[in-house]
Amino acid sequence: EDQVTQSPEALRLQEGESSSLNCSYTVSGLRGLFWYRQDPGKGPEFLFTLYSAGEEKEKERLKATLTKKESFLHITAPKPEDSATYLCAVQAGGTSYGKLTFGQGTILTVHP
Amino acid sequence: GAVVSQHPSRVICKSGTSVKIECRSLDFQATTMFWYRQFPKQSLMLMATSNEGSKATYEQGVEKDKFLINHASLTLSTLTVTSAHPEDSSFYICSAGQLAGGLYNEQFFGPGTRLTVL
Repeated sequence: EDQVTQSPEALRLQEGESSSLNCSYTVSGLRGLFWYRQDPGKGPEFLFTLYSAGEEKEKERLKATLTKKESFLHITAPKPEDSATYLCAVQAGGTSYGKLTFGQGTILTVHP
Repeated sequence: GAVVSQHPSRVICKSGTSVKIECRSLDFQATTMFWYRQFPKQSLMLMATSNEGSKATYEQGVEKDKFLINHASLTLSTLTVTSAHPEDSSFYICSAGQLAGGLYNEQFFGPGTRLTVL
């Protein structure tokens, strides 16, 4: 069974204080690892897809990396508007193409 | 990114009634749409996968007769919660995927529908 575990559950940062969120996974044949941002009462907003170990992607203050067992979402000099829940999900090989298994999410709060 | 809409955004209904939620991909054709539900402070749980023109595939533990899914076109999927009860109150979110090279890459999510059953 595919599993995704995110840590920490919650993270409080001061504005400008860089940090990382972790996503550990076990999956049979990883096709892709996805990062989403979710604001309260809204649907997830797509951030990144990573396909193979060693891959990195960046978008503004966010950088996502991938190894064979985990992914990190690095946040550099965060701002209060970066406050949200960050979700990690994996897509496995097999017949259920497209199915995503989500982690529990990390609630990020950035204080001014 | 692609845009996915959901309607209604909020619905309140009495126990025993049925509620229909629409999910539309506005600027691309979605071969597959997915329906999730999310309880407060929990992550998204996949309910079913919907392919255009065929029957939906439901996840284990999801009642097919209670959660009716129809994917009549490449841009529209509907979820009908039949005979809703208070325990069905939740945040329902759909997503749409684009098939590329045999793989579904980015999935784009709708804004969600908050269902409250009294």
